[in-house]
Amino acid sequence: GAGVSQTPSNKVTEKGKYVELRCDPISGHTALYWYRQSLGQGPEFLIYFQGTGAADDSGLPNDRFFAVRPEGSVSTLKIQRTERGDSAVYLCASSKDYPPGELFFGEGSRLTVL
Amino acid sequence: SQQGEEDPQALSIQEGENATMNCSYKTSINNLQWYRQNSGRGLVHLILIRSNEREKHSGRLRVTLDTSKKSSSLLITASRAADTASYFCATDERGAGSNYKLTFGKGTLLTVNP
Repeated sequence: GAGVSQTPSNKVTEKGKYVELRCDPISGHTALYWYRQSLGQGPEFLIYFQGTGAADDSGLPNDRFFAVRPEGSVSTLKIQRTERGDSAVYLCASSKDYPPGELFFGEGSRLTVL
Repeated sequence: SQQGEEDPQALSIQEGENATMNCSYKTSINNLQWYRQNSGRGLVHLILIRSNEREKHSGRLRVTLDTSKKSSSLLITASRAADTASYFCATDERGAGSNYKLTFGKGTLLTVNP
């Protein structure tokens, strides 16, 4: 596609529920990043894929968070047993460069946990 | 963790004035990037400066890099109301498994008053 696409744009869920956030990167971009951004803060690194494998998942806050990229294109961020503290905007970005050059960001998925 | 730290946190100027934002970081880098984010939107890449470069220009943007002081500055000349946004620096930090990940600072909120 023309840009990075993220769905859903908004998700409201109840505490304890399971959530999936999807990212469709720019075609041909091998690197894919997930970030989390809280109000007034900068993007916080969660996980980075190079191809199908997670090159660095050190930013995932705990084992409730998991991400996959099975075919090296679309990625899904999965959050189990959501907590109110998970409320944030989840940003996805892709890049064709390594080491990382310019990242192309999607518009984000705003997650609200009630 | 966040590698970069922008200064000031907020900056308010009049249209036509210049705006300067600073970024400090902690570890050695390959490159440093600046991004812009309008409220509620994804981040947009502005400029990338490599570790062996000292200054770079793009339109009304001027970026400097001082690797000895681990700092960078972004200058926006002849500011416009449309420049109102948050500005973030990002550095490629060497993470787990010797892979590079792009980490962001907390940002500077720039307000340009008409």
